[in-house]
Amino acid sequence: EDQVTQSPEALRLQEGESSSLNCSYTVSGLRGLFWYRQDPGKGPEFLFTLYSAGEEKEKERLKATLTKKESFLHITAPKPEDSATYLCAAENSGYALNFGKGTSLLVTP
Amino acid sequence: NAGVTQTPKFQVLKTGQSMTLQCAQDMNHNSMYWYRQDPGMGLRLIYYSASEGTTDKGEVPNGYNVSRLNKREFSLRLESAAPSQTSVYFCASRADRADTQYFGPGTRLTVL
Repeated sequence: EDQVTQSPEALRLQEGESSSLNCSYTVSGLRGLFWYRQDPGKGPEFLFTLYSAGEEKEKERLKATLTKKESFLHITAPKPEDSATYLCAAENSGYALNFGKGTSLLVTP
Repeated sequence: NAGVTQTPKFQVLKTGQSMTLQCAQDMNHNSMYWYRQDPGMGLRLIYYSASEGTTDKGEVPNGYNVSRLNKREFSLRLESAAPSQTSVYFCASRADRADTQYFGPGTRLTVL
């Protein structure tokens, strides 16, 4: 059975304190690993797609990496506006997205 | 471009009532999806439509029906609402061979 697990469930950082969010997955025939950002009361907003182990993508203070079993979302020198829930999703060979439960990030000034 | 729009934004129903959640996209995408999001459960796929005229069940289809009215619109119907269907419902769309799904703003549904 396809499974996506995110850790930690919640993370509190001081502004400028770098950290990483983890997404471990068990998916048959992984087509892609997706990261989304979700602000309270809004729909998920696309950040990255990773397709193969070793791939990395960056956007501002965020960098996503992928191994054969995990993906990491690295946040460098975060700012309060980076506070949100970050969702990871793995797409299987049948084009179905399996979402993790998310990591709630709070960055304090 | 409005992207993916959903109506209504909020709805309160009594047990046994019926209602239809509406979703429309203006990006000419073939695929459309309905998810529900519950605390501690993550997003779960209810139904999806790979193209106009086709629909398929997702992970949690029981108690729901869908209609792909045309390429733009994909509706979700609750025939007899139950408290277990209290949730936030998201519609999404995706172009063929595209990287990602684009999500609407959600409908927050409470069933009393």
